[in-house]
Amino acid sequence: DTEVTQTPKHLVMGMTNKKSLKCEQHMGHRAMYWYKQKAKKPPELMFVYSYEKLSINESVPSRFSPECPNSSLLNLHLHALQPEDSALYLCASSHPRAYEQYFGPGTRLTVT
Amino acid sequence: AQRVTQPEKLLSVFKGAPVELKCNYSYSGSPELFWYVQYSRQRLQLLLRHISRESIKGFTADLNKGETSFHLKKPFAQEEDSAMYYCALNGQGAQKLVFGQGTRLTINP
Repeated sequence: DTEVTQTPKHLVMGMTNKKSLKCEQHMGHRAMYWYKQKAKKPPELMFVYSYEKLSINESVPSRFSPECPNSSLLNLHLHALQPEDSALYLCASSHPRAYEQYFGPGTRLTVT
Repeated sequence: AQRVTQPEKLLSVFKGAPVELKCNYSYSGSPELFWYVQYSRQRLQLLLRHISRESIKGFTADLNKGETSFHLKKPFAQEEDSAMYYCALNGQGAQKLVFGQGTRLTINP
């Protein structure tokens, strides 16, 4: 399996909802990433996990809470989001000391 | 600070013509540079990385440290090359990719 999968593909949530995004890979990669991509903009790094430990947090608001329960899974828990958080959320993975990142198809999030 | 600049938001060329997508970077150390491509309704995927010095789908890119550039070139464009192209830099180990703003390439028949 050489792909990163993300679920759900689309998510619509209200500002008071709690939801989670899920990312999975079975390539044996020990680094996993969350990016946010607004329309017609490049991906922006949010979080990096290395060997299941959070190694980079790019000053992301606490309403986004990442979790890496094991080496294959990465979650992003969402709570009390704002409409401006609507975006495509991308997950990626890589070997910790390799430079090539493999991206998932993304979850398109709409906050109403 | 790491920075990647892609000066052209949009680039349109005719099929069979040469194409060059520009990328300039700012980084004080030795960067690792990449080109990623996003075809319509597909995921972001790696096209080239400077350390491998390979040609993928006819595209090449050479790192010019003197000019701090990593331009992407193809001698004869094909319609299937139409996509969004991002230049990216990794200057802090393997964990922090910084993307340029992207260039949307359109190949006209």
